[in-house]
Amino acid sequence: NAGVTQTPKFQVLKTGQSMTLQCAQDMNHEYMSWYRQDPGMGLRLIHYSVGAGITDQGEVPNGYNVSRSTTEDFPLRLLSAAPSQTSVYFCASSYSWGSYNEQFFGPGTRLTVL
Amino acid sequence: GQQLNQSPQSMFIQEGEDVSMNCTSSSIFNTWLWYKQDPGEGPVLLIALYKAGELTSNGRLTAQFGITRKDSFLNISASIPSDVGIYFCAGQDSGTYKYIFGTGTRLKVLA
Repeated sequence: NAGVTQTPKFQVLKTGQSMTLQCAQDMNHEYMSWYRQDPGMGLRLIHYSVGAGITDQGEVPNGYNVSRSTTEDFPLRLLSAAPSQTSVYFCASSYSWGSYNEQFFGPGTRLTVL
Repeated sequence: GQQLNQSPQSMFIQEGEDVSMNCTSSSIFNTWLWYKQDPGEGPVLLIALYKAGELTSNGRLTAQFGITRKDSFLNISASIPSDVGIYFCAGQDSGTYKYIFGTGTRLKVLA
């Protein structure tokens, strides 16, 4: 199993550009989520999904969209990038939503918005 | 947003020493996870705890789920250079099932 994969690993955008961060998992996990990590802070939840076709907002959803058309993929879209979105983005998945579930993380995407 | 209080923020220790770090919360959690993050990588799960009072080991690592369900600690015994990294705790909120992360403990081991 490849686990959780993310592409690209690095990305530089100009303010106002749009892009999609890709996330895929091959573990048949129902639950997937996106976090951002900023210096001196823990990971903050952006959006999450408890299954194909179901998404919900996390702690810091503004400026980001998600969709979940398949169990395997959970892309994160930046509609109009802003410098405040410069961060490291992590995708995570777990078997299901609820108790007794371990989250596994991808390697991250390092995004810089100029 | 809600975050856990994780301490210490950073530690410099000599190789061979034991290390202890902890997380506390004002909320009750039903799961505690401990992760290690190496530079440029994603967090890697070290230990998962599911029951209050549970004590779990993984090699030189030992973690406990506090009796009050509001805290957890991680101990590393006989530290080695490859223990260097950032350690994060994460608690799963018992109402929303969302994971909330601590701000991390940065560990440096001096040979």
